[in-house]
Amino acid sequence: GQNIDQPTEMTATEGAIVQINCTYQTSGFNGLFWYQQHAGEAPTFLSYNVLDGLEEKGRFSSFLSRSKGYSYLLLKELQMKDSASYLCAVRDRGSNYQLIWGAGTKLIIKP
Amino acid sequence: DAEITQSPRHKITETGRQVTLACHQTWNHNNMFWYRQDLGHGLRLIHYSYGVQDTNKGEVSDGYSVSRSNTEDLPLTLESAASSQTSVYFCASSESTAGSSYNEQFFGPGTRLTVL
Repeated sequence: GQNIDQPTEMTATEGAIVQINCTYQTSGFNGLFWYQQHAGEAPTFLSYNVLDGLEEKGRFSSFLSRSKGYSYLLLKELQMKDSASYLCAVRDRGSNYQLIWGAGTKLIIKP
Repeated sequence: DAEITQSPRHKITETGRQVTLACHQTWNHNNMFWYRQDLGHGLRLIHYSYGVQDTNKGEVSDGYSVSRSNTEDLPLTLESAASSQTSVYFCASSESTAGSSYNEQFFGPGTRLTVL
């Protein structure tokens, strides 16, 4: 079956680095997305991986290992505004190329 | 600037009533989606459309319907609202998926629906 797992909640300190993991099982992997969602707001796109390796975008990086069904989002130099939920989603050929979403990881940043 | 809007932003209704949530995008995207978001669950797909006159059922389509008469709009109708449909509803749109293009989804601000 299809399944996306992420930790429910994480806490980190301002200025530090945090890694949010995502593991997945799908019938036809066709890309992995990370979105950020502040409380009460809409999700916004952060990154996309379809090949193995690391994609870097400023303070945010995302890594993918297709053989392990694993991805992580790395956030560096954490700022208070990074307090949000981070959603992992996998595009699945077996679901007509629709996104299968994890429940999200709530990241709390402490001063 | 292009955008995607939803209305109303908040709605309270009674069990058994018909409710329609509006979604309008000015991106000129072919693909449009409706999701619901509940605590402890990821976004769950209700219906989606790849273009005018095209609609498809998602994972949780029972009790919901959509129609696509133009590129800009995909209204979501709850035929007979139930308390289990109390949720936050997000509309999204994206360009057409072609090959391995990622074509991110752009989300509207959401509608918080309460069914009493």
